[in-house]
Amino acid sequence: EVQLVESGGDLVQPGRSLRLSCLTSGFTFGDYAMSWVRQAPGKGLEWLGFIRSKAYGGTTEYAASVKGRFTISRDDSKSIAYVQLNSLKTEDTGVYFCIRGAVPVDYWGQGTLVTVSS
Amino acid sequence: QTVVTQEPSFSVSPGGTVTLTCGLRSGSVSKSNYASWFRQTPGQAPHTLIHSTNTRPSGVPDRFSGSILGNKAALTITGAQADDESDYYCLLYVGSGICVFGGGTKVTVL
Repeated sequence: EVQLVESGGDLVQPGRSLRLSCLTSGFTFGDYAMSWVRQAPGKGLEWLGFIRSKAYGGTTEYAASVKGRFTISRDDSKSIAYVQLNSLKTEDTGVYFCIRGAVPVDYWGQGTLVTVSS
Repeated sequence: QTVVTQEPSFSVSPGGTVTLTCGLRSGSVSKSNYASWFRQTPGQAPHTLIHSTNTRPSGVPDRFSGSILGNKAALTITGAQADDESDYYCLLYVGSGICVFGGGTKVTVL
């Protein structure tokens, strides 16, 4: 069974950093791109970016709104995807989801809550 | 900035059929946009109904189908059930490695 479990969400002050993890199981992690999406409270979904599999260079793509502040990475030996959130702003508050794949995506994690507030 | 459009809301009768659309404010949607559709109920994570325009992942009922209608991607729900009452989001690949979500459609079954 494919499973994705996010962790690392927390209450942080503006300007601080946070790293979110997405622990996966049930599939060959290294064969897949991994994406991150977020949802602000009461709002819609926002695509953040993805990391390709090593077979496709392991390179990353980002939404303009987070490029330069967020960094997606992966550890194939641990089947974990990460997103590093830097210089956090109050508008970064929301639930962060990891998803298997990029174009297309399929399985979603349950999300982890990031709250940015002083 | 690329804007993906969806109807804000839609109502359907139980047993009825509803077609939601997903467009680009500037331009037409084609198979090259690899449209995906997701359903989300309050407090839950989204799950994938359709990807690559018209491909249903295993386990998704065939009441859900995807297509291109005119210049938009479309999700058709046939035989609507009470538990189809959800928010539906589309996601389009817009090139250069970038994807964009639509604003979502709230579907009410009544």
